[in-house]
Amino acid sequence: DVVMTQSPLSLPVTLGQPASISCRSSQGLVSTGGGTYLMWFQQRPGQSPRRLIYKVSNRDSGVPDRFSGSGSDTDFTLKISRVEAEDVGVYYCMQGTHFPFTFGPGTKVEIK
Amino acid sequence: EVRLVESGGGLVQPGGSLRLSCAASGFTFSNFWMNWVRQAPGKGLEWVANINPNGSEKYYVDSVKGRFTTSRDNAQNSLFLQMTSLRTEDTAVYYCATAGFDYWGQGALVTVSS
Repeated sequence: DVVMTQSPLSLPVTLGQPASISCRSSQGLVSTGGGTYLMWFQQRPGQSPRRLIYKVSNRDSGVPDRFSGSGSDTDFTLKISRVEAEDVGVYYCMQGTHFPFTFGPGTKVEIK
Repeated sequence: EVRLVESGGGLVQPGGSLRLSCAASGFTFSNFWMNWVRQAPGKGLEWVANINPNGSEKYYVDSVKGRFTTSRDNAQNSLFLQMTSLRTEDTAVYYCATAGFDYWGQGALVTVSS
């Protein structure tokens, strides 16, 4: 199975400051069709997960443009350009290229 | 508006069975793969299973193979997860999610305990 790792696991951030979360996969995530199925999810306390980013860098509708995704092959990053109070929660990366699909352990973002 | 509503969760003893349902609306359910994802209390997300549009292809995480079965009724826009031989480690909130994980239900809590 593809193992997804994230760092850091805990990220205290000052409001208005940037934040960055790293996600690494144990195998390359480029599919035989050429797509890279790496997604990012936000889970606010008490809520269902919400997809933010799909196929590495595509922002979902309604997701603020302060969120951006980048990376390739086995190394990916989610960036928040200026953290707002509503960004508090746990962020997960997930690979949908290889079965079984696997999630990273999650990064808890909190306000300092 | 896409809506996914899970039901059927509850308390069950180890070794018991439970069937979860997911009612879908707001999209053409019969055209899309569907997923099940679970989250143990205070833990991260784990993909459990998925099923193709006509129900002929199904994939499972190793930990549930042979015990869980996913199915669907496209006429009723419904997705199901039949869980048997339940273990305490299956205790979790179970979510159904669309093919690309762009929509999720509110989740159904399954508690396996004696």
